[in-house]
Amino acid sequence: DTAVSQTPKYLVTQMGNDKSIKCEQNLGHDTMYWYKQDSKKFLKIMFSYNNKELIINETVPNRFSPKSPDKAHLNLHINSLELGDSAVYFCASRPGGLSPNNEQFFGPGTRLTVL
Amino acid sequence: DAKTTQPNSMESNEEEPVHLPCNHSTISGTDYIHWYRQLPSQGPEYVIHGLTSNVNNRMASLAIAEDRKSSTLILHRATLRDAAVYYCILREGLMNYGGSQGNLIFGKGTKLSVKP
Repeated sequence: DTAVSQTPKYLVTQMGNDKSIKCEQNLGHDTMYWYKQDSKKFLKIMFSYNNKELIINETVPNRFSPKSPDKAHLNLHINSLELGDSAVYFCASRPGGLSPNNEQFFGPGTRLTVL
Repeated sequence: DAKTTQPNSMESNEEEPVHLPCNHSTISGTDYIHWYRQLPSQGPEYVIHGLTSNVNNRMASLAIAEDRKSSTLILHRATLRDAAVYYCILREGLMNYGGSQGNLIFGKGTKLSVKP
């Protein structure tokens, strides 16, 4: 069973379009994340979401918005796509609670290409 | 999270041990040392973590300096499958862990190549 899954795996679209990437985790985790990995391979956190508390990385444009229909899902919506949005996007999750050592589980990534 | 410094790349031969160093001279007393790796075309995966004592698991060992300002990830017998980027990350050991305290701040990591 896949712990953290993302769809689609590849997404090619035109500039200006609106698109969504879906993420689901079947681990019962309380916290989910979205990361962006650019062409230089730097992995940067975009959002963390825990019990309806959304922590946003201030560098993320407001064209990006996470939506969580339930605890197992955190989807990423992107409006008015730009060339610079081309990257690999990773979803991740971890258990909640007080332990600082809960490992994060990452999805396989979605490669977004904006033409 | 405090900053870590790792070599950009390292090479190893298959079946030999690999020692991946990490410097974290500004580590605080409550920071845990975590290691993740990212295999080609995959998401990062957890390897190991520790606070003060050396740690072993099925994937690797983590040796932590007595002053905690550096650590070394040890792969006892490298395989071709271990070729990946290895990230050393400091994580705050705060009790209130519901918000951003759980975030991983990735650096550039060390790209490990394994030769047959």
